Amino acid sequence: GESVGLHLPTLSVQEGDNSIINCAYSNSASDYFIWYKQESGKGPQFIIDIRSNMDKRQGQRVTVLLNKTVKHLSLQIAATQPGDSAVYFCAEDSGGSYIPTFGRGTSLIVHP
Amino acid sequence: SQTIHQWPATLVQPVGSPLSLECTVEGTSNPNLYWYRQAAGRGLQLLFYSVGIGQISSEVPQNLSASRPQDRQFILSSKKLLLSDSGFYLCAWVTGDTQYFGPGTRLTVL
Repeated sequence: GESVGLHLPTLSVQEGDNSIINCAYSNSASDYFIWYKQESGKGPQFIIDIRSNMDKRQGQRVTVLLNKTVKHLSLQIAATQPGDSAVYFCAEDSGGSYIPTFGRGTSLIVHP
Repeated sequence: SQTIHQWPATLVQPVGSPLSLECTVEGTSNPNLYWYRQAAGRGLQLLFYSVGIGQISSEVPQNLSASRPQDRQFILSSKKLLLSDSGFYLCAWVTGDTQYFGPGTRLTVL
C-alpha cells in the first residue's frame, strides 16, 4: 500500500509551548485522516480526525491541518503539558476501506 | 457505550508454545475487528481483520492465525511461538470511519 510517513521521529518541547507534529502521505485518494496518541504500554487513543473536504479542524487544545496540495497533515497542540508526552501516529484511509495506513509515529517529549 | 477488552494484559511464553489472545467488544453489533502487532518503538502492523463471524482476512503471512467464533469475539492464535512473535498486540474495532483500540497484550517469547 501507499505510505504515510512522519518527518521527525522525536520532538522535544518545553511545558507551555505549542507543539506541531507533521505527517506526509502519498495516497492522493486518501479522504479521511486520523491522529492517535499512544502512551507507554497502552493502546492508541483517538485524538482528532479530519476529512478531505476540510483543511482545518479544532478540538480541545488540538488542531489538525490538512494541505491536500502537498499531501501534508499536521497536529498542533496548544500549551503543551507533561501529560501530552506520548507517541503520536497519523493514519489515513481512503474510500471507506476501514483499513487505515499508519505512520511510524513521532515521540513527543514535554520538559517541565 | 462501546468498550473493547483484551486479555491477558501481559504474557511470557517459551518458544514453541501455543498462544491464544482474546478480544471482545461490548455495546455494538457486527463490528469490523482487527489485530495489530507493534514492535518496540515501531508503528502498527496489521495482522488480520474480520468483517463478520467466520470471516478472516490475513494481511501478513506468518505462524499466527485468527478466528471469530462470535460476533463480538476475535481470537489470535499460534500453534508454536517464535522469538520474533514478541510484541504488543492490539485489537481494534471500527465505529463510523474511525478505529478504536483496546488496551493491548504485551507478549514476550523467551
